[in-house]
Amino acid sequence: DAGVIQSPRHEVTEMGQEVTLRCKPISGHNSLFWYRQTMMRGLELLIYFNNNVPIDDSGMPEDRFSAKMPNASFSTLKIQPSEPRDSAVYFCASSLWGQGNTEAFFGQGTRLTVV
Amino acid sequence: TQLLEQSPQFLSIQEGENLTVYCNSSSVFSSLQWYRQEPGEGPVLLVTVVTGGEVKKLKRLTFQFGDARKDSSLHITAAQPGDTGLYLCAGAGSGGYQKVTFGTGTKLQVIP
Repeated sequence: DAGVIQSPRHEVTEMGQEVTLRCKPISGHNSLFWYRQTMMRGLELLIYFNNNVPIDDSGMPEDRFSAKMPNASFSTLKIQPSEPRDSAVYFCASSLWGQGNTEAFFGQGTRLTVV
Repeated sequence: TQLLEQSPQFLSIQEGENLTVYCNSSSVFSSLQWYRQEPGEGPVLLVTVVTGGEVKKLKRLTFQFGDARKDSSLHITAAQPGDTGLYLCAGAGSGGYQKVTFGTGTKLQVIP
């Protein structure tokens, strides 16, 4: 398996533009997570899906952020409009939840820079 | 919100030295994990501890879960340059789903 695949790896955009980050989880996994990592705040959970359904989006910063999971093999995180303070590395992770398993497999991340 | 504080934040040591990283919380976790993250990559799981007082060894790394399941430590013996990276602890709550909260991180540099 290729692991969790994220695209793009790097994104530079101007303030106010729409940004879409993409994630392909590991085949067979039933849980998907979007995280944001910054020096100041560390690794923060933004949203969690189980069986394609959003379970907890309490970490989504504000209405400018939205996430979808239309099927088991694809998810997007959209920021519209983007702001400089959104600059961070965004990680997608997937896991096979059940029987006490909590191991998450992370993608390589998307480094977002908003100028 | 379940917070996990790690100490120290930064650690720079010589090859061959021993070190301990701590992960503390006021919350009880059903399990606790340690991840290592290298530059440009996502975190990779090292170990999961589940039982209070549990000790797990992974070559030169020793992980311990506190008796009350609120804290954990990672001890590295004879550190090597390949141990360099960001170490993250992560606690899983006891809710209906596996919400995992990550610690603040410890950046380790092992100098040859």
